[in-house]
Amino acid sequence: SQQGEEDPQALSIQEGENATMNCSYKTSINNLQWYRQNSGRGLVHLILIRSNEREKHSGRLRVTLDTSKKSSSLLITASRAADTASYFCATDAGTGFQKLVFGTGTRLLVSP
Amino acid sequence: EAEVAQSPRYKITEKSQAVAFWCDPISGHATLYWYRQILGQGPELLVQFQDESVVDDSQLPKDRFSAERLKGVDSTLKIQPAELGDSAMYLCASRAKNEQFFGPGTRLTVL
Repeated sequence: SQQGEEDPQALSIQEGENATMNCSYKTSINNLQWYRQNSGRGLVHLILIRSNEREKHSGRLRVTLDTSKKSSSLLITASRAADTASYFCATDAGTGFQKLVFGTGTRLLVSP
Repeated sequence: EAEVAQSPRYKITEKSQAVAFWCDPISGHATLYWYRQILGQGPELLVQFQDESVVDDSQLPKDRFSAERLKGVDSTLKIQPAELGDSAMYLCASRAKNEQFFGPGTRLTVL
């Protein structure tokens, strides 16, 4: 079962614009992670934010977490065509061995 | 850079046939995962290993799916018999600290 839902389901922007994706989840978490998946490939880890953190940056990525609303957002600044991919949030409840529950994903298309 | 290896990359089979997928995690990673990803959706966990032991197989359809990791290194996921609804991408991942590293996946098509 999918833990989270992401919106929008699809996003189309021009190079240089910012892209924002949102993730909502249902249960308490230990951390939330974002992954990228290029078409037909495996997933690549982007960033992790812990439940006691509110914001985290990594290069052109900015992630926020609001545990009271059970939501997170991923901002990609100054998008490039190479950012075209699907982006998934994944939650870790922190119980026992790490088990990630993935959201439904946002498909991002960045046009030159 | 070390990567998770999977084979085959693509598999086409007829329903009721048996299929098997292989995964070789990054060396030293004790935790290994098998996920199924239906087109347009996020990955869903099928089974999780810690070394050679299964720690979570609650979402594995055990009447037709089996998984093993005999020596705690590489792993095999088997489906017998395959059904039309099994068409999906099967992803393997291994873990270091809080990050999971994914292989390229096996795209299964059941006709």
